[in-house]
Amino acid sequence: QKEVEQNSGPLSVPEGAIASLNCTYSDRGSQSFFWYRQYSGKSPELIMFIYSNGDKEDGRFTAQLNKASQYVSLLIRDSQPSDSATYLCAARLSGGYNKLIFGAGTRLAVHP
Amino acid sequence: ETGVTQSPTHLIKTRGQQVTLRCSSQSGHNTVSWYQQALGQGPQFIFQYYREEENGRGNFPPRFSGLQFPNYSSELNVNALELDDSALYLCASSPDSSSGNTIYFGEGSWLTVV
Repeated sequence: QKEVEQNSGPLSVPEGAIASLNCTYSDRGSQSFFWYRQYSGKSPELIMFIYSNGDKEDGRFTAQLNKASQYVSLLIRDSQPSDSATYLCAARLSGGYNKLIFGAGTRLAVHP
Repeated sequence: ETGVTQSPTHLIKTRGQQVTLRCSSQSGHNTVSWYQQALGQGPQFIFQYYREEENGRGNFPPRFSGLQFPNYSSELNVNALELDDSALYLCASSPDSSSGNTIYFGEGSWLTVV
């Protein structure tokens, strides 16, 4: 069973702090990894994807990938109350089509 | 705004009925995939369509079926609805079938089965 695991949270951080969200995956054949943000009652919104080892930065967001440890993380700098949402980590498997395996998500709460 | 549109946004069906959900993909995207997201869980892959053919399927029974049309829009059909089919159904489009790193979801269709 190919799995993606995330802590369910909630992860509570003060406004302005760095939020660190983590994810592990079981299938070493996974090719790329995605972070989605999902507000309550809404559909997932793509934040960023990463497929090479190391860091990838986009504005206040940094994704980190360590394929040897099968570990993906998302850092959110200068967290804002509007970042309060569930963050979904997903792995895209090899195999010729765009099947994403999702974790159950981590709930982030940013308090003023 | 992802350019992926889904309809209807909300619907209520009775157990045993059939439902059809619709999706229009982003312009230029020839691949559509469908996901089911139950409350408190991550989305689960149902299947993918590429150029009108199903080319990948998750662990869902045959009563979940689909179509893709020449304009790349798609339908998800669910027969013999069960209470556990109550979920958010998400459509995602991508530029191609096997190397997509930009996979965008529509707003989803909320299905309640009573």
